[in-house]
Amino acid sequence: DAKTTQPPSMDCAEGRAANLPCNHSTISGNEYVYWYRQIHSQGPQYIIHGLKNNETNEMASLIITEDRKSSTLILPHATLRDTAVYYCTPRAYSGAGSYQLTFGKGTKLSVIP
Amino acid sequence: DTAVSQTPKYLVTQMGNDKSIKCEQNLGHDTMYWYKQDSKKFLKIMFSYNNKELIINETVPNRFSPKSPDKAHLNLHINSLELGDSAVYFCASSQMSGAPGEQFFGPGTRLTVL
Repeated sequence: DAKTTQPPSMDCAEGRAANLPCNHSTISGNEYVYWYRQIHSQGPQYIIHGLKNNETNEMASLIITEDRKSSTLILPHATLRDTAVYYCTPRAYSGAGSYQLTFGKGTKLSVIP
Repeated sequence: DTAVSQTPKYLVTQMGNDKSIKCEQNLGHDTMYWYKQDSKKFLKIMFSYNNKELIINETVPNRFSPKSPDKAHLNLHINSLELGDSAVYFCASSQMSGAPGEQFFGPGTRLTVL
């Protein structure tokens, strides 16, 4: 499984864009990059995923470098409710139709009023 | 509408006891998972279960056993509880077709072993 490196913490002013980097230099060709977040002690919440191309949905944008060794999650207009721990996780097929996610330490994003 | 639910939310018990945590999903997903989040907040996969086939993380002690009465349920049984089992346990589900890495997590069960 690919290892990921994320900064332990980041601050972002409310209303500004939050850019959360992730290094996954050992990711293999068939591994997608998934981003989840965990607000306080709730269950993790899916945000977005990608393989090679940049992706955008209603929550965020995902920029993946051409060599796929790193990616950046962008929250375009951070709100206080976006304060959470953000996890970048590779996803590989585990067999029997299951895809086990590997969570690292994540980045604790604090959105400041 | 609750997508993935777990009961109980909190569980406090003595060392050596046997306990179960229930998980139900109403999303029609075909794969379910159990994760453990320890006191240092590391979230680790324990099991994944799809179509009666179980994938076990090799580090999970055999005191832990998942049981699936049907596709919508994956319960976690823990025998001879130890202090180190204290953690928050999350159930999750996903659909193999489409975006199988998009997992929906339950609210968690905080287990405290005294």
